[in-house]
Amino acid sequence: DSGVTQTPKHLITATGQRVTLRCSPRSGDLSVYWYQQSLDQGLQFLIQYYNGEERAKGNILERFSAQQFPDLHSELNLSSLELGDSALYFCASSPGDFSYEQYFGPGTRLTVT
Amino acid sequence: QKEVEQDPGPLSVPEGAIVSLNCTYSNSAFQYFMWYRQYSRKGPELLMYTYSSGNKEDGRFTAQVDKSSKYISLFIRDSQPSDSATYLCAMSAIVGFQKLVFGTGTRLLVSP
Repeated sequence: DSGVTQTPKHLITATGQRVTLRCSPRSGDLSVYWYQQSLDQGLQFLIQYYNGEERAKGNILERFSAQQFPDLHSELNLSSLELGDSALYFCASSPGDFSYEQYFGPGTRLTVT
Repeated sequence: QKEVEQDPGPLSVPEGAIVSLNCTYSNSAFQYFMWYRQYSRKGPELLMYTYSSGNKEDGRFTAQVDKSSKYISLFIRDSQPSDSATYLCAMSAIVGFQKLVFGTGTRLLVSP
């Protein structure tokens, strides 16, 4: 158990809908990272927050947004969902802004029908 | 062409075998190299980390980086059925900018 929690574990929704994925980092970790894992693309970095501020952006679609709250938990919002958004979404955390050692949560499996 | 290429496998070996897992990359700016292990239905966990070129050993695991060839390897000695998992390589270029670029992963099956 990495200490990173993600809810929900599974989410099934329809195209065009909006969902929110939640992540709680390990105790004391200030950075949160979001990744998308699909069979064809592998693990893709989406976005990083450090102590409430956006620090780095990867291949995140404009329909997706994220934020990190004062208690350091983070939410990833996915809107206007498409079939291709079906994937595993992982959250990871690390103590500092720079850390090669990222601890991954168990993931949220999103299925868009 | 992807920045990081990794053979998806599966790679099937008998228990006790030496396993070699590899990744090639195209971005010469990559300086930090990591190997993650991912069990089915779990998140990735960090196995090994190497900076720049050279070897690093941790128990049965050895990570090797050859920057001149843009090639990294993970060796597993005395492989065990519990090593059966997907192994992902990951790389990063700039200190302080934590955009990790992952390979697609190699699935390893170790049979008893």
